[in-house]
Formats: sequence, structure tokens, C-alpha cells
Amino acid sequence: GAVVSQHPSRVICKSGTSVKIECRSLDFQATTMFWYRQFPKKSLMLMATSNEGSKATYEQGVEKDKFLINHASLTLSTLTVTSAHPEDSSFYICSATPGGGILRETQYFGPGTRLLVL
Amino acid sequence: AQKITQTQPGMFVQEKEAVTLDCTYDTSDPSYGLFWYKQPSSGEMIFLIYQGSYDQQNATEGRYSLNFQKARKSANLVISASQLGDSAMYFCAMREAQTGANNLFFGTGTRLTVIP
Repeated sequence: GAVVSQHPSRVICKSGTSVKIECRSLDFQATTMFWYRQFPKKSLMLMATSNEGSKATYEQGVEKDKFLINHASLTLSTLTVTSAHPEDSSFYICSATPGGGILRETQYFGPGTRLLVL
Repeated sequence: AQKITQTQPGMFVQEKEAVTLDCTYDTSDPSYGLFWYKQPSSGEMIFLIYQGSYDQQNATEGRYSLNFQKARKSANLVISASQLGDSAMYFCAMREAQTGANNLFFGTGTRLTVIP
């Protein structure tokens, strides 16, 4: 199956700093990438949808100035958590899809990034 | 209203036995797709099986099968011959054609524990 990588897999940072998480589709061009957040023992919460070359679409309640998303190419999207606070500590997962609007096309998920803000 | 409901927070199954994980969904879109994902403790989401709303037969993928009951809006996952490696969180998800074919709605998940 298609492979999506995420980097870093774990990050610990101090409160007030910014953290960048990269999501790459390794063997296909991802027209659309998604960023999810998952709290312990909870489901995935969609944060935003990003399409290559255009601004990301954020879900209600997600601060776009706090979570900056850049989908610079068809294989790379980045999520930057700006001025991180302890409450931003979470598991962030990206997914990618070749697009085309095919209903049965699954999203291919990255392995996730565990962020801990001290 | 919740689009995907998984009512079993946790399930236990004896190794080599079969187990059914429940999933019900809510949509007015006649065209939709249902997915099951497995999330082991490592965190990665692993795609297991897909069922389309117009598919005539229940989907099967190896030891995974989907018991699709369209009138009841249920899409239960059946895992046959459980293995210790099946212990994980399992998420049911849905995609609706009318809201954009890329958006996935996830349920709250079921934690499956396989007992030796």
C-alpha cells in the first residue's frame, strides 16, 4: 500500500516555542492531505484539510493562526504549532489521498507525531 | 447527531475465536463508503476493509469481513480466528459523497483485547 511518513515521531518542547511537523507521501502524489489530532483513548479529530497550492480549510474551533498548515508540494504538507502550550500536547496524525474524489479511495495515514509541551 | 457510533468501548476475545465489533452510521446521502481501521499501540492507522453503499455483497479481506446491513445502517466488523496481534483500537469511519469525497468521519473506537 501507499506510504506516508511523518517527522518527527516524537517531540518535546518548551512552552512558547513553535514546532513543525512534516507529512510526506512517499510513493504517490497527494492532492489532499489531512491533519488530525487524537487525545489519549479518544477518536481522531479532523483539524484541517489542505490541498496543494491553496490555503488549508480548518474545522470549526481550530485556530488557523495557531496551527499553520502549508501544503507546498504534492508530496509534502507541514503543520506548525505556534507558541505551543501544554494543552497542545497530543498525538498528531496526517493522512494523504491521491484525490480524484473516488469514494472507495482510502486515506493513507502517517505514523503520527507525539507532541509534549512542557 | 453522531455520524458514526461505536457502542463498545472495549471487547475481549479468546485467541482463535471470532469477534464482532459494532458500528452504526447516520447519513442521508445515498452514496457513501464505510471503512474500518486498526490502530495498534504504536499509533499508526492501518486500513482494513471498505464497504460501498451500493456494493451488493459484504466486503471480505482475509480474516476481516464486514456485516453490512444497509436498512439498519450498521457495518459491523467481524474478525475470524483472532490472533494476539489483533489487540488494538479499531475505528469505523464513513465518507459521504455529497460532503466531498475526501472527508472521513470517525467513530470513538473499540479497544479489542485478545486473550491467550
